[in-house]
Amino acid sequence: KQEVTQIPAALSVPEGENLVLNCSFTDSAIYNLQWFRQDPGKGLTSLLLIQSSQREQTSGRLNASLDKSSGRSTLYIAASQPGDSATYLCAVEAHSGSARQLTFGSGTQLTVLP
Amino acid sequence: GAVVSQHPSWVICKSGTSVKIECRSLDFQATTMFWYRQFPKQSLMLMATSNEGSKATYEQGVEKDKFLINHASLTLSTLTVTSAHPEDSSFYICSASTRGLLSNQPQHFGDGTRLSIL
Repeated sequence: KQEVTQIPAALSVPEGENLVLNCSFTDSAIYNLQWFRQDPGKGLTSLLLIQSSQREQTSGRLNASLDKSSGRSTLYIAASQPGDSATYLCAVEAHSGSARQLTFGSGTQLTVLP
Repeated sequence: GAVVSQHPSWVICKSGTSVKIECRSLDFQATTMFWYRQFPKQSLMLMATSNEGSKATYEQGVEKDKFLINHASLTLSTLTVTSAHPEDSSFYICSASTRGLLSNQPQHFGDGTRLSIL
C-alpha cells in the first residue's frame, strides 16, 4: 500500500528566505506526483504536476523535483512571501485496483513571517 | 476553466440528521468524481470513487450505507451522510475528472464542506 510522508510537519521562516519542503513515497510505480496548496478551511489548489518520466517542473518561484527511483520529491520556494503561508500537500497518483488514485501526505504547514 | 463547486461550504446540525453535500462541475463533464475526508491536521483520505450512472466504489473501512453517493449526471455528484453523529464531523472534499477511471486527466477539487455534528 502506497504511503506518502511529508517533512517537516510545520515550518516557520522569515520573509524572503528560500525554503525546501520534502515528500517521500514508498512505491515508485506512480503515474505522477503533484504538489497542492491548501488554505485554512479551503479546498486544494494544484501548484505543480510532475509526470513519472520527468525530473522537475517550474512555475514562477516554485520548483518541484522528482526522483522516482528513490521515492522522493522536493518543493523549492524562492524568496518566500507572507502570502505563501498555507499547508502544502504532496500527492502521488498510482494504480489501485481498477482505477488511478491519489494518495496524499499529511502536509507541511508553512508560515512566512513578515 | 475546470471549476468544481461544492455546496454547502459549512453545515452544523444535530446528531441523527442526514446531510447532503453537492459537488458540481461547472464548465466540464465529470465522468468520474471522488469524495475525500480530511480530519484536522491530517491528510485527505479517499472515501469513494464514482462514475456517472454507476454505483460508487468505496474504500475499505468506509460504510456505504452511511455515506450514500449518487452520481446521476455528468455535472453533479452528491454525498449524503445518513444519521450523522459527532464522529462524522470532518472536512469533506470532492474532486472531478473529465474521463474514466484510467484517465490521465487531473482531478479538479472543490472548496470543501465543513460538517459539524452537535
